[in-house]
Amino acid sequence: SYVLTQPPSVSVAPGQTAMISCGGYNLGSKPLHWYQQKPGQAPVLVVYDDSDRPSGIPERFSGSKSGDTATLTISRVEAGDEADYYCQVWDSNSDEVVFGGGTKLTVL
Amino acid sequence: QVHLVQSGAEVKKPGSSVKVSCKTSVRSYAVNWVRQAPGQGLEWVGRIIPMMRITDYAQNFQGRVTITADRSMNTVYMELSSLVSEDTAVYYCAREIVGATRLESWGQGTLITVSS
Repeated sequence: SYVLTQPPSVSVAPGQTAMISCGGYNLGSKPLHWYQQKPGQAPVLVVYDDSDRPSGIPERFSGSKSGDTATLTISRVEAGDEADYYCQVWDSNSDEVVFGGGTKLTVL
Repeated sequence: QVHLVQSGAEVKKPGSSVKVSCKTSVRSYAVNWVRQAPGQGLEWVGRIIPMMRITDYAQNFQGRVTITADRSMNTVYMELSSLVSEDTAVYYCAREIVGATRLESWGQGTLITVSS
């Protein structure tokens, strides 16, 4: 089955830039999406199709992809950005949604 | 404002079944089910495309999960059978524009506790 790999944790000081990676085989051929989940809440889509932002998501959130690695970048990090972040693709070989293991972003 | 409204929390015995509902507009959408065990990550369970009568299930749940839709009631159901303690989790429904592969809107979640 298809696997997406994320670092378990990332720490950043307020005002700095956080970068969260997501890797997978042949990831370049698959649209990739990012979700933010705060404690006790449902996930929220923050980036879709590698680099597009849903309405209402601050411009500080951006996505990119190079080869088999995608990156979620959060600029000017705020305390309210502290959350778990998940990447996700649709695997057409197995007809399944696949999530990465999640990355806990800590704002120092 | 997109709304997906799920049924309430339940406590189930091992070996029993649970059926969770999700009320949302299903026209042109797929409805996915995703679960999250306590302290764990997101795990996809399956989805239904009501207008096309198509279902896809995660390999891990094949044979144990059934997702159905009542289009007239704009409600989707996820039934999980042969429950074990490891099925204790929050179950979310999430809506997807067919073919878009992203889960745009999520329900509030339903806590299912499996305990003897």
